[in-house]
Amino acid sequence: DVQMTQSPSSLSASVGDRVTITCRASHRIDNFLNWYQQKPGKAPRLLIYATSTLQSGVPLRFSGSDSGTDFTLTITNLQPEDAATYYCQQSYTTPRSFGQGTKVELK
Amino acid sequence: QVQLQERGAGLLKPSEALSLTCAVSSESFSGYFWTWIRQPPGKGLEWIGEIEHRGNTNYNPSLRDRLTISLDTSRSLFSLNLNSVTAADTGVYYCAREGWLQLEADSWGQGILVTVSS
Repeated sequence: DVQMTQSPSSLSASVGDRVTITCRASHRIDNFLNWYQQKPGKAPRLLIYATSTLQSGVPLRFSGSDSGTDFTLTITNLQPEDAATYYCQQSYTTPRSFGQGTKVELK
Repeated sequence: QVQLQERGAGLLKPSEALSLTCAVSSESFSGYFWTWIRQPPGKGLEWIGEIEHRGNTNYNPSLRDRLTISLDTSRSLFSLNLNSVTAADTGVYYCAREGWLQLEADSWGQGILVTVSS
């Protein structure tokens, strides 16, 4: 199985800040890396797929990139509505494993 | 815009079978995978398994011995059956649609809480 190691587990930032969340895959996953946002009591929402492709309707302040088996979600100009938990997921192989999640809080 | 809705029993006793359905609105099953994902209370997401429109399935090895996912295209729904549940199976169960090429879960149901308790 591919293990996804996500960091940090939580962070606190201010409105307008730039936030970076990292996910590392234990094995090669090519560009099959997705990012989701989940707010309390809600289903996850797809933000980015194929490492860097923004899902329709997602604000442009969200972006994704990679460097080998390390993948990054960046939120520029953090907004109050971005307070949520973010998960990475590899969809290269089954089981399509998730990272442990990163909780983003606003200062 | 596809909509998905989970239905099923919310309270089970240990050793019983968990049975959920996901109703899919206004959508052909072709060209997608259809998946189940769960989330224990206060914890992260766990991928359970998926089925594609021809009925081929992929399961999480940790659940394979107890798991069946099936598809009923005539009724526009797919189902999850998990046998011999324990308290560790408690959580919110989501159904979702996965894209054919990148397998990203692009549409989700609202989720259904399943509690296993004696």
